[in-house]
Amino acid sequence: SAVISQKPSRDICQRGTSLTIQCQVDSQVTMMFWYRQQPGQSLTLIATANQGSEATYESGFVIDKFPISRPNLTFSTLTVSNMSPEDSSIYLCSVEAETGNNEQFFGPGTRLTVL
Amino acid sequence: QKEVEQDPGPLSVPEGAIVSLNCTYSNSAFQYFMWYRQYSRKGPELLMYTYSSGNKEDGRFTAQVDKSSKYISLFIRDSQPSDSATYLCAMKRVSSASKIIFGSGTRLSIRP
Repeated sequence: SAVISQKPSRDICQRGTSLTIQCQVDSQVTMMFWYRQQPGQSLTLIATANQGSEATYESGFVIDKFPISRPNLTFSTLTVSNMSPEDSSIYLCSVEAETGNNEQFFGPGTRLTVL
Repeated sequence: QKEVEQDPGPLSVPEGAIVSLNCTYSNSAFQYFMWYRQYSRKGPELLMYTYSSGNKEDGRFTAQVDKSSKYISLFIRDSQPSDSATYLCAMKRVSSASKIIFGSGTRLSIRP
């Protein structure tokens, strides 16, 4: 399985500001994903980030609010823009294994609190 | 109706008991079925991964898929306090090979 790290692990931010979350993988992967997990709830896919192409966003998520970069096969960033308290959540990146069996592995998450 | 339904618990059992965790789903197109374990303040960890119907065993864990009933289960034998976590079922279609739909998670507590 891939080893995935995220920075920061947690942050407290003011309303109206933006935060960029970094995701680093220890091996090259084609597909990376960003999820949101709101308190007491399950995981919701925000977008799929493939290297060399624009991110694909799920219904309810837009690029202006959650811009994503994928500069290479081991790294991605998610920015949460113009934050409001409703953005308080855990943000997780995940990668699909390159073994061809479609397994996905998750990073430890970034716990965001917006005041 | 949610695509995947999972009892949120919490579920509390004594150490050594057999635990049964379940999910139902509505979309017959799901072909891949997974169970993730998530400890507090950690990311989900893939526990079991199965394709189509049948059983899969890994140590104390057994995953069952019954596609005719649209029902999946995870059994934990000889449960340990270290099994205390939230368990998320998840599934995906062949046609959308990478998008996973998660259940809401069941919080499990194993009492010593």
